[in-house]
Parts: sequence; C-alpha cells; structure tokens
Amino acid sequence: EVRLVESGGDLVQPGGSLRLSCAASGFIFSGYWMHWVRQVPGKGLVWVSRLNSDGTITNYADSVKGRFTISRDNAKNTLYLQMNSLRAEDTAVYYCARVWRANDPFDIWGQGTMVTVSS
Amino acid sequence: EIVLTQSPGTLSLSPGERATLSCRTSQSVSGNYLAWYQQKPGQAPRLLIYGASSRATGIPDRFSGSGSGTDFTLTISRLEPEDFAVYFCQQYGSSPPFTFGPGTKVDIK
Repeated sequence: EVRLVESGGDLVQPGGSLRLSCAASGFIFSGYWMHWVRQVPGKGLVWVSRLNSDGTITNYADSVKGRFTISRDNAKNTLYLQMNSLRAEDTAVYYCARVWRANDPFDIWGQGTMVTVSS
Repeated sequence: EIVLTQSPGTLSLSPGERATLSCRTSQSVSGNYLAWYQQKPGQAPRLLIYGASSRATGIPDRFSGSGSGTDFTLTISRLEPEDFAVYFCQQYGSSPPFTFGPGTKVDIK
C-alpha cells in the first residue's frame, strides 16, 4: 500500500523550532518530488515547499522562506521540514504529498500532523 | 502568483442531484494543469481530477472536469451520500507557488 505518514507536530512557543517528518512506504520514494502543504483547521490549503527527487532543487512560499528548510533522506524514505523562528500564523495541520514529476498533481497525501505555535 | 476563486462557497443539494462547481484563475493555467481535490472532515485531501479533465485512479465516473484557460468546472452528475465534502481546485503547472482555491462545501439540503 502506498502510504505517507507525518509525525513531529507539537505545541511550541513563538520563536521556537520543530522538525516534521514524513515517512514513505509502498513506492520508490527516491523517484518522486515531494511537497509540504498546510491547512488551518476549517480553512483552505496553502502550499509551503517543494523538493525534487534527489534533493537538489527546493522552492518555498514567501511566508516561510528563510525560516523553513525542506530536505529528504532517500535511504530512509523520509521527507523533512525543519521549521525555525515559528510564529502564531504557522499554526496548522501540515501535510506531505508526492508528485511524480515537477508539474504533476499531488496524487498521494499523508494524514497530516498538527503544529501549534502559542505561548 | 496565480489566484484561484471558487464559487459558490457552499452548495446545498440533495442526494441524486447534479453538482456544478466553478474555479476561476487570475491568469491562464499553462497546460491546463488544474486539479480538483475532495476533502472530508478529519481527512487529507484526495485527488479527483488532474489536467482539468482526467480522472485520477479509482475515481467514479460521476465526477468529471472541464474547462481551459481561466475557467474550470467540476461536475458531480448524481450526488452520492459520500460526496458531501469540501472541494478545492489547484493550479500546479506554473512556477511556485502552487496555489489552491478557497474551496466549495457541498452539503446536504
């Protein structure tokens, strides 16, 4: 079964850091581009970041550029999102999603992990 | 950045009825790289339609997509009980950011 499982979400204070993980199984992880998307509960979806299959090309939303870093370990079939200098507006459910190529739709999503930034 | 607008915000229909959802983009979507996703409460989004009109694997044929340029439509021919959910459109063909529409909620009348 093709599966993505996020973890690492937590309650963190403003200015703090958190690293999210997305464990992939059931497919050849190293062949896919990966994305992070976030969603405030009850609100819309917001694209956060993208990483190509070998980890050499990254893109970020302006709202997280310079604070978040996307990376992957293809040997461990895992995608990461390092989140620094967290703000209240970063509070959301974070989903990872896979795409086959750069301009393909997001065909498989994880179940999400909740990040809450609050004092 | 391409801005997506969806209408209506909420669609109240009965099972068996036809649902027509609209997605408009602020610029023409290259290659018709427009997708539709379904999201139910507490669940992740699920890909329904890609390339404006192609159904994703396992999606019933009561779901269809159409449109090009800046105007796109998702049609559910006969609503089943499991179709009541929120639907998002997304453009994924241009450079980042890969923007989503605000969503249309289809609820039971």
